[in-house]
Amino acid sequence: DAEITQSPRHKITETGRQVTLACHQTWNHNNMFWYRQDLGHGLRLIHYSYGVQDTNKGEVSDGYSVSRSNTEDLPLTLESAASSQTSVYFCASSEGLAVPGELFFGEGSRLTVL
Amino acid sequence: AQSVSQHNHHVILSEAASLELGCNYSYGGTVNLFWYVQYPGQHLQLLLKYFSGDPLVKGIKGFEAEFIKSKFSFNLRKPSVQWSDTAEYFCAVNGRDSGTYKYIFGTGTRLKVLA
Repeated sequence: DAEITQSPRHKITETGRQVTLACHQTWNHNNMFWYRQDLGHGLRLIHYSYGVQDTNKGEVSDGYSVSRSNTEDLPLTLESAASSQTSVYFCASSEGLAVPGELFFGEGSRLTVL
Repeated sequence: AQSVSQHNHHVILSEAASLELGCNYSYGGTVNLFWYVQYPGQHLQLLLKYFSGDPLVKGIKGFEAEFIKSKFSFNLRKPSVQWSDTAEYFCAVNGRDSGTYKYIFGTGTRLKVLA
């Protein structure tokens, strides 16, 4: 069965360190998204991609970067982790070129920045 | 810019009670509307969606939602809730914004159903 997997599922890091969260999907979807989920804020869009070599900033992109070198993967990098980036991160994908459809979510990555 | 408002942050109901969760969005163009559910400890999954056609859409587990264009609303309903419906519910809008389509979520509503 097609799926979307995130790793690591849990990570503790220190302020200032670089962290990369992996996201891999086997749906062959063009569209991939990264969200963070925080109490009181719901899901907020960090970055998204509509295809290989395409990346776009979401509403809370500061301090994060992504790259899309193939269809399957969209790693999220925190250049210099800050305590404000402690959160649960969800990767998602969807098919459709012009109008993204239903989102399929990964299990989430819980990041703690000390 | 698009925005989604969910007015109820926490809802507590007894089993068999009826449920209605409000969702309003701010956007002037054509939108696609979704409700997602997140059961405790799990990832989000689609409950139902509206793209076009009949404004009353039915989803999984007895949920339905009505799109009222004039009110920019897409409220979620269920006639009789069960304990297993305890979860967080998110309304989402997908529409064109500054040339690209973006998926915007509301802040979520935590539903607790008492057995």
